[in-house]
Amino acid sequence: QVQLVQSGAEVKKPGASVKVSCKASGYTFTDYYIHWVRQAPGQGLEWMGRVHPNTGGTRSAQKFQGRLTMTWDTSISTVYMEVSRLTSDDTAVYFCARGKWQQLVLAYWGQGTLLTVSS
Amino acid sequence: DIQMTQSPSTLSASVGGRVTITCRASQSFTRWLAWYQQKPGKAPKLLIYQASELESGVPSRFSGSGSGTEFTLTISSLQPDDFATYYCLQYNSDSWTFGQGTKVEIK
Repeated sequence: QVQLVQSGAEVKKPGASVKVSCKASGYTFTDYYIHWVRQAPGQGLEWMGRVHPNTGGTRSAQKFQGRLTMTWDTSISTVYMEVSRLTSDDTAVYFCARGKWQQLVLAYWGQGTLLTVSS
Repeated sequence: DIQMTQSPSTLSASVGGRVTITCRASQSFTRWLAWYQQKPGKAPKLLIYQASELESGVPSRFSGSGSGTEFTLTISSLQPDDFATYYCLQYNSDSWTFGQGTKVEIK
């Protein structure tokens, strides 16, 4: 079965960077985009961007361009999301997600990683 | 980017009642819209995709409709397990966007 397992909670200081991992299993890793979605405390869902581990194609939401980097390691079926120049507004739960079979829509989700940005 | 305006932000309904949630898009598109249910502390769960396709395993009391700039999620007979927050997601454009969410509360 498809599983996405994310790395654990992080605490960072303003101005720092954070790198969150998402390990995929149960399918051919290079066949699907991995997306990143975040949710600030008590707020709604926000799509951040996507990366394709085969083509290398990426797309980021405009507000994250220049600050969001998505990479991958095919040998361990893992995608990474790095956000730089953190502020308190980046405090959120970060989810990775994958599309449904033969569909683009997100159907499989990681468990979420809580990032706290605090001085 | 396509902006999605979801309404209402909160609604109160009774068990057995009918619920309708709307998402309006800033640009017209045909069917690349999904609906999700989210409960506290959990990842979102896919309910509807391509505007009206019911995800496998999702009860038939959930339905989706619409195209153009207006899309609707309907719950025909609200059940206790349905009290949650619902989001639309447009995946028509290169940059995807969620609606702001609708919290369905018990009346």
